[in-house]
Amino acid sequence: ETGVTQSPTHLIKTRGQQVTLRCSSQSGHNTVSWYQQALGQGPQFIFQYYREEENGRGNFPPRFSGLQFPNYSSELNVNALELDDSALYLCASRFPGDTEAFFGQGTRLTVV
Amino acid sequence: AQSVTQLGSHVSVSEGALVLLRCNYSSSVPPYLFWYVQYPNQGLQLLLKYTTGATLVKGINGFEAEFKKSETSFHLTKPSAHMSDAAEYFCAVSENSGYSTLTFGKGTMLLVSP
Repeated sequence: ETGVTQSPTHLIKTRGQQVTLRCSSQSGHNTVSWYQQALGQGPQFIFQYYREEENGRGNFPPRFSGLQFPNYSSELNVNALELDDSALYLCASRFPGDTEAFFGQGTRLTVV
Repeated sequence: AQSVTQLGSHVSVSEGALVLLRCNYSSSVPPYLFWYVQYPNQGLQLLLKYTTGATLVKGINGFEAEFKKSETSFHLTKPSAHMSDAAEYFCAVSENSGYSTLTFGKGTMLLVSP
């Protein structure tokens, strides 16, 4: 039990649609990162938020966007879904300056 | 830029045998190194981490890893495999900062046979 919960656990969307994935972190975890894990691959960094501001971004297009809220929850939004967006999306949060990131169980997104 | 190479996408061992999962990293700055385990349909659980200090790091479930700077390696070992160790294992690297993100390897699936 990491104290990080993600919703929904599974989701099926149609190509071209938009999706919002949610993450709820432990109290005090003001740094949250999102990762995409394609089938058979390691997680890839999408972006990171610190105190509600994006402070790092991986090699993902602008149609991947996020928000972080004062209550330690966050969102990942993906517009104009493509088939290749099908993956497990992981949220990870941590205390400021801590090296250990706590991961949620992930949201499995399938785009058809 | 940082990168991680995990040698072997699948490793098979018998129950009670030594587990060795290999990880090599590339980093332009002194790295922080991590091993995570992922069970089916689950998120990632931290097994152990190296930040500074002792190069032999002990983690949960009897796993340990040794940071070897000269070899740029951080191999994961366990003296005796259990059936419950069957899972996917990921090695990851980050810069030596609490605000750095993780760069993962592609993972190694550990299979344990009776």
